Amino acid sequence: TQLLEQSPQFLSIQEGENLTVYCNSSSVFSSLQWYRQEPGEGPVLLVTVVTGGEVKKLKRLTFQFGDARKDSSLHITAAQPGDTGLYLCAEAGGTSYGKLTFGQGTILTVHP
Amino acid sequence: KAGVTQTPRYLIKTRGQQVTLSCSPISGHRSVSWYQQTPGQGLQFLFEYFSETQRNKGNFPGRFSGRQFSNSRSEMNVSTLELGDSALYLCASSFTGSSQAFFGQGTRLTVV
Repeated sequence: TQLLEQSPQFLSIQEGENLTVYCNSSSVFSSLQWYRQEPGEGPVLLVTVVTGGEVKKLKRLTFQFGDARKDSSLHITAAQPGDTGLYLCAEAGGTSYGKLTFGQGTILTVHP
Repeated sequence: KAGVTQTPRYLIKTRGQQVTLSCSPISGHRSVSWYQQTPGQGLQFLFEYFSETQRNKGNFPGRFSGRQFSNSRSEMNVSTLELGDSALYLCASSFTGSSQAFFGQGTRLTVV
């Protein structure tokens, strides 16, 4: 079973600061997804990365997939209070139909 | 397009009882997956159904079961509830062949 390690577990920053969240595995990812979950809601997909070295941008969020497809990072520039939430990485795909394997998550709090 | 709907949103049960949770996927989605989310274990995969057949199963005891109906709606059942079953149960639906999962808001189950 693929084990995904996310770091840090908690992140508390001031509005305007930058931050990076990491997701690592000892095995190669089929594909890697990042989700954001707000309190009382289900996770919402932010991005899927498939190709080693891939970089995707979503407004102030930048997602990178490692060349060896064993690690990924999420970088947020100039964080805002609305970015507060639980950020989860998940491995998807392969023959494990409908199964996502999630990391433990990073709880981000952005203070005004 | 309506999102994934889970009912009920909140549930309180006593140890030893059983519970049934319901999930209505997005129209046209035939894959439905269930997850358990707890502070200690994070998000863990329970099982996945496609066209009324269970295609994949996580590492949970047999007290956890599910089914899917011809209209793709799904139910999960937990029998002989234990205190440790207290969790947020999330349902996700996907379009055939897609790894993008759309999550419902979840059912918060508390076992007392």
